[in-house]
Amino acid sequence: LAKTTQPISMDSYEGQEVNITCSHNNIATNDYITWYQQFPSQGPRFIIQGYKTKVTNEVASLFIPADRKSSTLSLPRVSLSDTAVYYCLVGENQGGKLIFGQGTELSVKP
Amino acid sequence: SAVISQKPSRDICQRGTSLTIQCQVDSQVTMMFWYRQQPGQSLTLIATANQGSEATYESGFVIDKFPISRPNLTFSTLTVSNMSPEDSSIYLCSAVPDTGELFFGEGSRLTVL
Repeated sequence: LAKTTQPISMDSYEGQEVNITCSHNNIATNDYITWYQQFPSQGPRFIIQGYKTKVTNEVASLFIPADRKSSTLSLPRVSLSDTAVYYCLVGENQGGKLIFGQGTELSVKP
Repeated sequence: SAVISQKPSRDICQRGTSLTIQCQVDSQVTMMFWYRQQPGQSLTLIATANQGSEATYESGFVIDKFPISRPNLTFSTLTVSNMSPEDSSIYLCSAVPDTGELFFGEGSRLTVL
């Protein structure tokens, strides 16, 4: 399974756009890129998933370059409630096991 | 989506005892996984719970210490055997419904004295 590398922590202020980049140089052809959010004392929650180019949902956007060796999670206009740990994972879709990296601890300040 | 319920949500146990954590999914799922999350750390995959066959364990985890059952497509258990303080952690059950996304339970926080 491809290993992922993310910044350990990031700081932001309310209303700003936050971009978290993840490196996955050894991503396989069948791998999808998935991002999860985890609040303290809760299980991780799915945010977004993509294979290539750009994916957008009501929560975030995911940008994936053509070589797929990295991806960027974009959170528009963050609020205090977006303070959490964000995990980037790569793995097969539809049931493949996912290995978690260290995650990025995002702190949003007023 | 899938709703995953875990029991117990937390427990305090004595060294040398065993505890079984139950995981119930509100729909039939093919794949279920058990993770461990130690304080301040990321999640570590313990094993894949296979329905109708033995679980598949990741490196560093063995069946004698973490026996897993998967009697049907909606339920699984993880037992932490002969516990020591090093087993104090949050244990998370996860499942993959037809949508392909991995859903997690809220976790079972285990403290071993």
